[in-house]
Amino acid sequence: AQSVTQPDIHITVSEGASLELRCNYSYGATPYLFWYVQSPGQGLQLLLKYFSGDTLVQGIKGFEAEFKRSQSSFNLRKPSVHWSDAAEYFCAVGGGGGADGLTFGKGTHLIIQP
Amino acid sequence: NAGVTQTPKFQVLKTGQSMTLQCAQDMNHEYMSWYRQDPGMGLRLIHYSVGAGITDQGEVPNGYNVSRSTTEDFPLRLLSAAPSQTSVYFCASSYSADIYEQYFGPGTRLTVT
Repeated sequence: AQSVTQPDIHITVSEGASLELRCNYSYGATPYLFWYVQSPGQGLQLLLKYFSGDTLVQGIKGFEAEFKRSQSSFNLRKPSVHWSDAAEYFCAVGGGGGADGLTFGKGTHLIIQP
Repeated sequence: NAGVTQTPKFQVLKTGQSMTLQCAQDMNHEYMSWYRQDPGMGLRLIHYSVGAGITDQGEVPNGYNVSRSTTEDFPLRLLSAAPSQTSVYFCASSYSADIYEQYFGPGTRLTVT
């Protein structure tokens, strides 16, 4: 069965500092990987996705993620965070369709310090 | 395009009551799904549909029913609400069942007392 682990429940970063959110996945074949962001009281917005090809993918709002097959990881990065980046971030894996749907990690809550 | 819409935004039910959460999309997506979000649990798949007339169970289907009579609509029914169903419910859709990116609705916050 597919699974996703986000090891950090909370992360606090100063505004302007760099950010890396960790994501490890378990999947039997080549996965489809996603990062979503959820602002308080809102739905989920897709930041970026990896299906195949270049392992460094660019997303919206200045985010990027790198797929590392050998480490089963898909970490999210941003070189300089803004206060508006404070939100909950979810990593997700899919690929089988149907009953597998998307399997989400439990999320990382990002706090931005002024 | 309105994308994925959900109604209501908030709902309070008493134990044993029934209700239907509405979900609609205007993107002609084949695949639609329902997730529930609980604190510290991420999102878990309840039911999904790969097209009109076809539905199946996800990870946590007990206590919920779905139907898909049209491409656009995918309602979620709670037959006899229980406090354990207190959660935030998200509907999502994608172009096909091959798990391209899913588009999420704004959610329905349900409280069962």
